[in-house]
Parts: sequence; C-alpha cells; structure tokens
Amino acid sequence: AQSVTQLGSHVSVSEGALVLLRCNYSSSVPPYLFWYVQYPNQGLQLLLKYTSAATLVKGINGFEAEFKKSETSFHLTKPSAHMSDAAEYFCAVSDEGTYKYIFGTGTRLKVLA
Amino acid sequence: DTGVSQDPRHKITKRGQNVTFRCDPISEHNRLYWYRQTLGQGPEFLTYFQNEAQLEKSRLLSDRFSAERPKGSFSTLEIQRTEQGDSAMYLCASSRTSGTTDTQYFGPGTRLTVL
Repeated sequence: AQSVTQLGSHVSVSEGALVLLRCNYSSSVPPYLFWYVQYPNQGLQLLLKYTSAATLVKGINGFEAEFKKSETSFHLTKPSAHMSDAAEYFCAVSDEGTYKYIFGTGTRLKVLA
Repeated sequence: DTGVSQDPRHKITKRGQNVTFRCDPISEHNRLYWYRQTLGQGPEFLTYFQNEAQLEKSRLLSDRFSAERPKGSFSTLEIQRTEQGDSAMYLCASSRTSGTTDTQYFGPGTRLTVL
C-alpha cells in the first residue's frame, strides 16, 4: 500500500533561514505528490503538486519542492523563512487512477524571531 | 470561485447521540471527499463521491457512519451513536475531473467533540 513518511514532527528555524521539510514516499511507480499547509483550526491549503511534468515544482508563498525518484523523496524548501510560515505542513500522495490521498503525519514548523 | 464550505464548524455532543455534518463543494466540482483528522495526525480518507455515486469507502467508515450526496452537489456525513473515539476534525474536499488525478481543495473542517 502507498505510504508517506515525514521525518521530523517538529522543525524550528530562525526567521530568514532556510526551511527544509522532508517527505519520502513508498511506490515503485512515480505517484502524484502534494504539499499542503494547515493553519490552526483551518482546513488544508494546497502549496504545490507534482504530476510528472517537471521535477522541480514551484508553489505559492515562495515554497518549492524537488521530486527525486532515486531517493523516493519530495522535500519542501523555502530559501528564507517568514514568521507567517509557522503552520503544519502535510505531504500527500495519490496513485494514478485512484483519487484518495494518503497523507503523512505532518511537520509543525516553528519560526523563531 | 467560493471555496469549500462546511457546517457546523464545531459540534459538541454527548456519547450516544447522532450528529450530521454538511459540506458544500466548489461549484461544478464533480468529486467530493471526506477525511478524518485526529490530533497530531494527517487526514485519513473516509469516502468519496463522483457526482451522486459513492465510489469508495474506507474500512475506517464503520456501520455507524453514512454519507450521502443526493443531487451531486452538497454532501452530508452522519455519525450514529457517537463514541468518544469519534472526536476528530472532519474535513471535506472537492475536485474536478482532470486527467488521471485531481487536485483536491479542502474546506475548513468540522471539529467534533464527543463527551
């Protein structure tokens, strides 16, 4: 069965520092991959998605992610953290022909002033 | 487009009571999904509809849970005889058919607390 692993349930960075949130998937066939952000007591907002067009995907709010098949990874990065980036981030995967998403357990990002 | 809306946003109920949640998807989105999110976890898939047809249900969806989408627009999720373990955030998402996978847009969720 498809699964997603997010290493690090909590990540802290200083304002202006690089943000790196890790996501690894398990699939022998490249799946579709997504990153969502969730602010407290809110639903999930799509940051970006990988659908096999380009391995480097740019999203909203300055985030990007790189699909690496050899590492089965889809890590999320942002060059310079902002206080407003503090939130929980979820990586999700879906297989071709299925429509449900499988989510990771999430990474809570804290941005220090 | 207005986004996905869910009602109510919060629900507190006593164990054994029935509750019903409503989801209004983005207009013209033909697929609608329900997920459950417990504290410290990612959302878990419950079920999804294409138009009015319920096409897949998770094993998480016990007999006490039922979902409908009668006219292919809004959907309801009912939980009968609630248990404390049902306490969670219930998220609804919608999408429009697009190739071999869709992009799902999520509502704000309904937080259920069972006392």
